[in-house]
Amino acid sequence: EPEVTQTPSHQVTQMGQEVILRCVPISNHLYFYWYRQILGQKVEFLVSFYNNEISEKSEIFDDQFSVERPDGSNFTLKIRSTKLEDSAMYFCASSLREGRYNEQFFGPGTRLTVL
Amino acid sequence: GESVGLHLPTLSVQEGDNSIINCAYSNSASDYFIWYKQESGKGPQFIIDIRSNMDKRQGQRVTVLLNKTVKHLSLQIAATQPGDSAVYFCAENRRGTDKLIFGTGTRLQVFP
Repeated sequence: EPEVTQTPSHQVTQMGQEVILRCVPISNHLYFYWYRQILGQKVEFLVSFYNNEISEKSEIFDDQFSVERPDGSNFTLKIRSTKLEDSAMYFCASSLREGRYNEQFFGPGTRLTVL
Repeated sequence: GESVGLHLPTLSVQEGDNSIINCAYSNSASDYFIWYKQESGKGPQFIIDIRSNMDKRQGQRVTVLLNKTVKHLSLQIAATQPGDSAVYFCAENRRGTDKLIFGTGTRLQVFP
């Protein structure tokens, strides 16, 4: 069964450093998402991406965050200058069609630890 | 605002019993609801969904009930198995957006 994959599974970084979290969505999917889950808290939407541009973003997704689809398979989330409060699980998701009524498939997540 | 460091409510059931997990949503504009299962170390996994024009939807061993009057959603798992042990989240979606808004989550523990 096709699945969303994410690398690395765990990333440790120093505060102020840049990190890039990588995702490979399901191959024929067209809509891509990033969510995050701070330990013990709810899963929160960050951004959605379609046709090589951001279609929606949350208040969390400020200028320190960016997303990119550099090639036909990868979808990345970059945090330019990490802060302690960026420590969380980051989940990538993809769906075949626009999100409403269409299942978003989630990857296993990348645990980001900012020291 | 949201609480920090929420302690997940836990439901403990015996194998073979039925489980009922509840969720309250706050926005009456939400018209699409999904239940996700999250096992340790994994991402959320779709279980079942329901649109607001329905009160009930059944899947394999799972049933979702929607009460729009009191903004309440429930997930019923029949004949609960050890493999059902996980954290269960409800998520809602509103017209005009495809982002999912997740609830707090409930930890389901199944013991033999």
